Amino acid sequence: EDKVVQSPLSLVVHEGDTVTLNCSYEVTNFRSLLWYKQEKKAPTFLFMLTSSGIEKKSGRLSSILDKKELFSILNITATQTGDSAIYLCAVSSGNTGKLIFGQGTTLQVKP
Amino acid sequence: DTAVSQTPKYLVTQMGNDKSIKCEQNLGHDTMYWYKQDSKKFLKIMFSYNNKELIINETVPNRFSPKSPDKAHLNLHINSLELGDSAVYFCASSQYDTSNYGYTFGSGTRLTVV
Repeated sequence: EDKVVQSPLSLVVHEGDTVTLNCSYEVTNFRSLLWYKQEKKAPTFLFMLTSSGIEKKSGRLSSILDKKELFSILNITATQTGDSAIYLCAVSSGNTGKLIFGQGTTLQVKP
Repeated sequence: DTAVSQTPKYLVTQMGNDKSIKCEQNLGHDTMYWYKQDSKKFLKIMFSYNNKELIINETVPNRFSPKSPDKAHLNLHINSLELGDSAVYFCASSQYDTSNYGYTFGSGTRLTVV
């Protein structure tokens, strides 16, 4: 059965810290891996990764995919309280557009 | 100018009732989805329609019935509501092509069954 596993499930850090969130997957017919940030409402898109080894960067956030070892990491440097959220990893499988989500990592950044 | 809009945002209802949630997208996407997020924040796909055709139908009780009158709308009707149906239901849309499955999510409908 297709599976996406995130770790840690929750994390508490202080402003200025750097965090690394992990996502591993076992999915047939992999197409892409996506990261989302969820605050109070809808998940908002962060990154989509399709190729191994190519880092995607947006401000203090960056992500990379390893298709051989079947995992991805999301890095956040110089964390701010506004980074507090649930970070969701999802894998797109097959040709239907279906996303398989991990359990999410709840990040709390304290002042 | 909301891209994916769901109504209602909150729904509190008694067990055994029938209720509907509506979703509309104005992005011109051809594929729409319903996801359920449980109390542990785990998001799981329920249904997907591509150009009004059902393409994903996960293991969901048949009390749940999606309807897509056109490619901009996807509604979810739930019969005989049960306590375990309490969750946040998210609608999403995407453009079905071979290179990009970037989704846009609606803001969710929080369903509470009492």
